[in-house]
Amino acid sequence: ETGVTQTPRHLVMGMTNKKSLKCEQHLGHNAMYWYKQSAKKPLELMFVYSLEERVENNSVPSRFSPECPNSSHLFLHLHTLQPEDSALYLCASSQGQGAPNYGYTFGSGTRLTVV
Amino acid sequence: EDQVTQSPEALRLQEGESSSLNCSYTVSGLRGLFWYRQDPGKGPEFLFTLYSAGEEKEKERLKATLTKKESFLHITAPKPEDSATYLCAKFSGGYNKLIFGAGTRLAVHP
Repeated sequence: ETGVTQTPRHLVMGMTNKKSLKCEQHLGHNAMYWYKQSAKKPLELMFVYSLEERVENNSVPSRFSPECPNSSHLFLHLHTLQPEDSALYLCASSQGQGAPNYGYTFGSGTRLTVV
Repeated sequence: EDQVTQSPEALRLQEGESSSLNCSYTVSGLRGLFWYRQDPGKGPEFLFTLYSAGEEKEKERLKATLTKKESFLHITAPKPEDSATYLCAKFSGGYNKLIFGAGTRLAVHP
């Protein structure tokens, strides 16, 4: 399988639940990103990983916890979320710092609904 | 602070009616200006990268151009399948971080 794959595609969770989003890339990229997309708002960068090291945390609440065990996999662990966290969560990968960059490759996203 | 602003927010065209979408950005050492297409329920799909003023790139009915302060996405004789949200983005800071505009929702009607 090629490209960036995100699972699950849809997720409904209660405010007290714990769940995880998964992202996998088979492009040989060394940087991975989590973005949040809410209706009529620009994509918001949440986290950046470069060579499996977290290099950016954009003031994201601690109820979102990222994990990057290797250069091909990225997780977003969720706990005690709020209804305003409902959004489309997008994972992307790129060739990263210092390399010619032709843009990110995005996954199809996880549509999260917090009830 | 780096910013990307897109206009219009939404655009409705008749099939064959050419138009342009605008992306203006704060000028702080532009290292790349990107255009993406996003269909409902899907992630953004890469279209173009522009690096310097005067540069143009084309793909089928789409042509992207870049000036020192803005970029345009020209759509010539659009078809209904061109209906999507078009996103503009630029590099900001290290690690090839991209910041995005809010997008233009394009609807092309037969």
